[in-house]
Amino acid sequence: AQKITQTQPGMFVQEKEAVTLDCTYDTSDPSYGLFWYKQPSSGEMIFLIYQGSYDQQNATEGRYSLNFQKARKSANLVISASQLGDSAMYFCAMRSNTGNQFYFGTGTSLTVIP
Amino acid sequence: DVKVTQSSRYLVKRTGEKVFLECVQDMDHENMFWYRQDPGLGLRLIYFSYDVKMKEKGDIPEGYSVSREKKERFSLILESASTNQTSMYLCASSSLKTRSGRYYNEQFFGPGTRLTVL
Repeated sequence: AQKITQTQPGMFVQEKEAVTLDCTYDTSDPSYGLFWYKQPSSGEMIFLIYQGSYDQQNATEGRYSLNFQKARKSANLVISASQLGDSAMYFCAMRSNTGNQFYFGTGTSLTVIP
Repeated sequence: DVKVTQSSRYLVKRTGEKVFLECVQDMDHENMFWYRQDPGLGLRLIYFSYDVKMKEKGDIPEGYSVSREKKERFSLILESASTNQTSMYLCASSSLKTRSGRYYNEQFFGPGTRLTVL
């Protein structure tokens, strides 16, 4: 069975500091994709970054990077130089490349402190 | 610009009413999904569809049904609304196609419908 675990219900970070949001996953599929989404208080889900299970390098998108450790089945999101607008819920998700279904974690609420 | 729209941002219904939540995407995506989001539980999949008239149950289908008569439209139906169906409902779509040679297929979400059942 596929499962995504986010163990940090809430996190605080000082503005301009870096923060890591944890995500571990469980799957027996050899090929899968890992995603991070941001959900501000307005409610819309915003796609941030993607990591394929066979990608050799960790994904990066601007201030977002994904620390992918395949053997440990972890896909942590690193946000560098935090901004006040980064305050939001963050969801980790996984999709097997053999199916269409996505599996989401329970989310981490990030608060950036001025 | 890609877009997923949902028929209502806020909806208030009474127990026992039949409720329709509509979702439309303009990206020609094959896959469409309905989730409900509750605090501390994340997103839970209700139903998804990978083609017109095709549907598959997700993790929590009880009390819900869906309809996909056209590729761009995916409807969620609460046959007889109950108070425990008060929640945020999110629709999403994704494509089977790869992008730039990579197997991306991220989901695009609508703005959500906050349903309250009294």
